[in-house]
Amino acid sequence: DAKTTQPPSMDCAEGRAANLPCNHSTISGNEYVYWYRQIHSQGPQYIIHGLKNNETNEMASLIITEDRKSSTLILPHATLRDTAVYYCIVRVRSGSRLTFGEGTQLTVNP
Amino acid sequence: DVKVTQSSRYLVKRTGEKVFLECVQDMDHENMFWYRQDPGLGLRLIYFSYDVKMKEKGDIPEGYSVSREKKERFSLILESASTNQTSMYLCASSLGRGLSYEQYFGPGTRLTVT
Repeated sequence: DAKTTQPPSMDCAEGRAANLPCNHSTISGNEYVYWYRQIHSQGPQYIIHGLKNNETNEMASLIITEDRKSSTLILPHATLRDTAVYYCIVRVRSGSRLTFGEGTQLTVNP
Repeated sequence: DVKVTQSSRYLVKRTGEKVFLECVQDMDHENMFWYRQDPGLGLRLIYFSYDVKMKEKGDIPEGYSVSREKKERFSLILESASTNQTSMYLCASSLGRGLSYEQYFGPGTRLTVT
């Protein structure tokens, strides 16, 4: 499985965009980039995923570099409720286990 | 919206007790998973199931068993609870086999074994 590297923590002002980076330089051609988040004492929440094209949904945008070695999750207008640990995951084959690393603790400040 | 529910948010059991953790999903998902999450160790897969009456071991199956008698329900069983099984237990489900199906998680059960 490709390993991911994320900064341990980031801060963002409420209402501003939060840009969370992830490095995955050993990603394979058939592996997707997934983002989940986990608010304290709750189960993880799926955010978005992509293969090589940029993706956008109601929660966030995902920008993947052309060489697929890194990606950025963008929360366009962060709110206090977006304070959570954000996990970047490169998906293993055949739809089985998710492996979370340490993630990035995003703190949105008023 | 996908809904995954777990029978309890908090549970306290004694060493040696048999413990049942129940998980139900309402989206007709084929796959269901049980994980435990511990500080510094991240998320670890215990068991998963691709179909009714089918189960496969994950990374840390020792001390656990599972049951999937109906598609929507996946139970985790601790045959004889031990203190090292104190943890947050997370159930998840996903649509089907494949490379890109996202997993949806329940709220978690925080189990304390005394």
